[in-house]
Amino acid sequence: QKEVEQNSGPLSVPEGAIASLNCTYSDRGSQSFFWYRQYSGKSPELIMSIYSNGDKEDGRFTAQLNKASQYVSLLIRDSQPSDSATYLCAVEIYNQGGKLIFGQGTELSVKP
Amino acid sequence: GAVVSQHPSWVICKSGTSVKIECRSLDFQATTMFWYRQFPKQSLMLMATSNEGSKATYEQGVEKDKFLINHASLTLSTLTVTSAHPEDSSFYICSAFQSYEQYFGPGTRLTVT
Repeated sequence: QKEVEQNSGPLSVPEGAIASLNCTYSDRGSQSFFWYRQYSGKSPELIMSIYSNGDKEDGRFTAQLNKASQYVSLLIRDSQPSDSATYLCAVEIYNQGGKLIFGQGTELSVKP
Repeated sequence: GAVVSQHPSWVICKSGTSVKIECRSLDFQATTMFWYRQFPKQSLMLMATSNEGSKATYEQGVEKDKFLINHASLTLSTLTVTSAHPEDSSFYICSAFQSYEQYFGPGTRLTVT
């Protein structure tokens, strides 16, 4: 059974701080990894994708991937109240035509 | 990013009736679309993979005769919930696969009374 695990929430950080979200996965063959943001009552929105080991930065967001440790993370710098949402880690199953497995999500709350 | 639409955004139906949900890729062609279901406070659960011109592939435990999927064109997939029951009430979300990434529609909230 392929699994994706995220650190349990809710995670609360003050405005302006760095929020760190973590995810581990079981499928060693996976090559594609994604972070989605989901506001309450809305569908997920893709915010980052990462395919190679190392860091990938996009604005205030940095995704980090370590395939050897089967670990992917998302850092949000200068957190804003508008970042308050549930963050879903998704891992593409190897050779399954784009199928994703989602983690259970981490709820982030950024306090003004 | 790519734009995916869903219709309707919400629907209320009576137990025993059928409901059709449409998923469209607006600015690209999608040979593969996915259907998910999400219950409150839970993560997304993949129901089926919809491939244009062929039968859908259902995940284990999903009743293919209850959740009918049709992917008749490169921009449209439909999910029909047949003989809906209150336990089918959920948030149904489709996604389309393009350039190695999945883009989600806005979702359809189904309430069965």
